[in-house]
Amino acid sequence: QVQLVESGGGLVKPGGSLRLSCAASGFTFSDYYMSWIRQAPGKGLECVSYITDSSTYANYADSVKGRFTISRDNAKRSLYLQMNSLRAEDTAVYYCALLRVSDWSYYFDYWGRGSQVTVSS
Amino acid sequence: HSVLTQPPSVSGAPGQRVTISCTGSSSNIGANYGVHWYQQLPGTAPKLLIYADNNRPSGVPDRFSGSKSGTSASLAITGLQAEDEADYYCQSYDSSLSGSLPFGGGTKLTVL
Repeated sequence: QVQLVESGGGLVKPGGSLRLSCAASGFTFSDYYMSWIRQAPGKGLECVSYITDSSTYANYADSVKGRFTISRDNAKRSLYLQMNSLRAEDTAVYYCALLRVSDWSYYFDYWGRGSQVTVSS
Repeated sequence: HSVLTQPPSVSGAPGQRVTISCTGSSSNIGANYGVHWYQQLPGTAPKLLIYADNNRPSGVPDRFSGSKSGTSASLAITGLQAEDEADYYCQSYDSSLSGSLPFGGGTKLTVL
């Protein structure tokens, strides 16, 4: 079965950096787009970034553009999110999700359990 | 605020039918992009509930159904059960947002 396991979260000071990882299993990782979605405390869901199967294109939310970088290593079946210049408003649970894409539909088929990122001095 | 609008809360008694609306615009739902729904039980990760307007993934009970018309979509839950109490989110694609994938603000379903 599909498994997505996030790691790398923690407490970091404003302006600091953190790198999240997502280990994938149970499907052919290199065939699918992947994504990071976050949820601030008591708030809704926000798609932070997604990346194509062969890393040819990456999309970012305006709120993180220029600060976050998504990447993947298909050989290691892993997805990453490099987060720089972190702000208090980046505090959230970060989910890794498999993104299914068709002509008219982009949807998040499987989700990990999430990794907590807290930005505080 | 999101380009997809949901009511903050809905409620219903066990056994009843409830619907949750998701209102968009001509650049997302109205452009015929698929609408997808997620269920988030308390303290857990979201789970795909409905994809491409009205399709259920394997394992999702047929009490859950989706529909779409014009610039709006709806999630219907029939035979409401206590375990349906959760947050529900709609999501689509928006052509005016440079490829971003917006979610609705979420709806808290309370089973009375």
